[in-house]
Amino acid sequence: AQSVTQLGSHVSVSEGALVLLRCNYSSSVPPYLFWYVQYPNQGLQLLLKYTSAATLVKGINGFEAEFKKSETSFHLTKPSAHMSDAAEYFCAVSGGSNFGNEKLTFGTGTRLTIIP
Amino acid sequence: NAGVTQTPKFQVLKTGQSMTLQCAQDMNHEYMSWYRQDPGMGLRLIHYSVGAGITDQGEVPNGYNVSRSTTEDFPLRLLSAAPSQTSVYFCASSYSSSGGPGTFGPGTRLTVT
Repeated sequence: AQSVTQLGSHVSVSEGALVLLRCNYSSSVPPYLFWYVQYPNQGLQLLLKYTSAATLVKGINGFEAEFKKSETSFHLTKPSAHMSDAAEYFCAVSGGSNFGNEKLTFGTGTRLTIIP
Repeated sequence: NAGVTQTPKFQVLKTGQSMTLQCAQDMNHEYMSWYRQDPGMGLRLIHYSVGAGITDQGEVPNGYNVSRSTTEDFPLRLLSAAPSQTSVYFCASSYSSSGGPGTFGPGTRLTVT
């Protein structure tokens, strides 16, 4: 069984400030972890993924996330927010290499607002 | 290369009606899946397929059927629509199982009255 908790359904940051979106997971097997972004009225786009290689994962648009097993966390960060980062972000977990990775469990999402 | 396409974009059904949501991809991806997105609940997996002729149930399969006769197409059938199936439906695909769904379609917004 696996689950994802995203802390904060809404996060607001000023343009140029640090973006931190929190994700904690629960998994009975070594997980694979994902972050997706969804812009209004669009499908989801894969930002980055952790698949048991390097614990610090770099993605598109300047985002990165660090897998911390001891904290069961996979928080998403970006050093300097841009107006174009305004979107909804989803964290997801799968059962890792032992299971089909099409069976993702998603968090409930965090809506990121950028303040000019 | 059109990626993942979904039709229709919007649909209104009456309770009890049936319909098929279409999904196609032109990337030769083996893995395809259907999700529904509801406010405050994230995305939930309905059905998925690991190749032509192979399908399996996800988290919320009741009321839906799928088939995968070709690599390209993965239609989702609503057998008898219910108001609880009002949602946004996303189809997704990926080349392998190691990276999760990499490409999502634009979605179908379904309302059941």
